[in-house]
Amino acid sequence: GDSVTQMEGPVTLSEEAFLTINCTYTATGYPSLFWYVQYPGEGLQLLLKATKADDKGSNKGFEATYRKETTSFHLEKGSVQVSDSAVYFCALSGTQTGANNLFFGTGTRLTVIP
Amino acid sequence: ETGVTQTPRHLVMGMTNKKSLKCEQHLGHNAMYWYKQSAKKPLELMFVYSLEERVENNSVPSRFSPECPNSSHLFLHLHTLQPEDSALYLCASSQDLVVAGPYEQYFGPGTRLTVT
Repeated sequence: GDSVTQMEGPVTLSEEAFLTINCTYTATGYPSLFWYVQYPGEGLQLLLKATKADDKGSNKGFEATYRKETTSFHLEKGSVQVSDSAVYFCALSGTQTGANNLFFGTGTRLTVIP
Repeated sequence: ETGVTQTPRHLVMGMTNKKSLKCEQHLGHNAMYWYKQSAKKPLELMFVYSLEERVENNSVPSRFSPECPNSSHLFLHLHTLQPEDSALYLCASSQDLVVAGPYEQYFGPGTRLTVT
């Protein structure tokens, strides 16, 4: 079935360090891919998305490229800030009508220290 | 109020109690969802409602009973829960499921449930 595997955390980085959080997926057909972020005490917020192969989603300095050949959607940021400390979730969704199958990974906790 | 709101934010209940979680969305969406978030596990989709009809029920025990009286409100009725049901329960909403995706979902802050 459809699933997402993302790197286990926690990840601890110093401010201005480079961030990569790996995400790979298994899916039938052509899913859309998402990164959601959950700040402490809050619900999940959409960070970025990509709907087809080779698309690059970007927001707030974060980027992820939909790589069909490696079935990956790794999240990157060139210089992290303390305010980026949160839990990051990779997710995929098909394009099936009449139902929604949004599959999430287990989440990766990022802590950025000054 | 804007976005998706959930009440209460925290709930402690005994195994014999009956309680309800409430979710309200102010985004004009037609689909609503309940998720369970447990430590070190992927988010578990519990129920999906589209246009107030339940379209998905992912093998959730009957001690969880959803209700969607209109497209803006979603409830999760709880009774005779077990300690392993302690988790963060998240509500989300999205555009109508009739049209093909991608389905961007908007989440509430969640209800932290503890079953004693």
